[in-house]
Amino acid sequence: AQKVTQAQTEISVVEKEDVTLDCVYETRDTTYYLFWYKQPPSGELVFLIRRNSFDEQNEISGRYSWNFQKSTSSFNFTITASQVVDSAVYFCALSEAMAGGFKTIFGAGTRLFVKA
Amino acid sequence: DADVTQTPRNRITKTGKRIMLECSQTKGHDRMYWYRQDPGLGLRLIYYSFDVKDINKGEISDGYSVSRQAQAKFSLSLESAIPNQTALYFCATSDYGSTTDTQYFGPGTRLTVL
Repeated sequence: AQKVTQAQTEISVVEKEDVTLDCVYETRDTTYYLFWYKQPPSGELVFLIRRNSFDEQNEISGRYSWNFQKSTSSFNFTITASQVVDSAVYFCALSEAMAGGFKTIFGAGTRLFVKA
Repeated sequence: DADVTQTPRNRITKTGKRIMLECSQTKGHDRMYWYRQDPGLGLRLIYYSFDVKDINKGEISDGYSVSRQAQAKFSLSLESAIPNQTALYFCATSDYGSTTDTQYFGPGTRLTVL
């Protein structure tokens, strides 16, 4: 069965600290997709990154980086030199193919507070 | 202009009232979804539609119904609203031609049922 666990409910850091948000997933499929979304205080959901199960390369985009490890079923997200604008709820999601489309489930989210 | 829009953005209603939340998209996507977000529970899927003639129940469809009026429009109805349907509701779309199902979300509708 599909499952996404974000064990960290809330994290609080001081500006310029590095912070890692954990995501552990469960799936029986060999082909699947993993996502991170950001929900700032304004409430909208912003797509950050997508990874497919065959691509374990880590990705870096500016201050953001993602570490995908199939061996531990994890897809962790690191923010380097955090800024106040990074304060948001971050969701990890898992998508598997099904008849006609995909089924996506979301983790419960991690709320990140970055203090000045 | 936003690619995925939701109306209304905020709504306060009373128990027993019928409520409709509307979603429109200009992305040309075939797939549309309705989720609700509750604190500590993330997003849970209510209904989804892979094309105009396809409607499917999600994880928590009880108490809700949907209508896919056109490729670009997907409405969510609460036939008789109850307080535990107070939540933030999101519409999302994804592209049939995509092999990855990246979903793009509307701005959300905050619904309060008194």
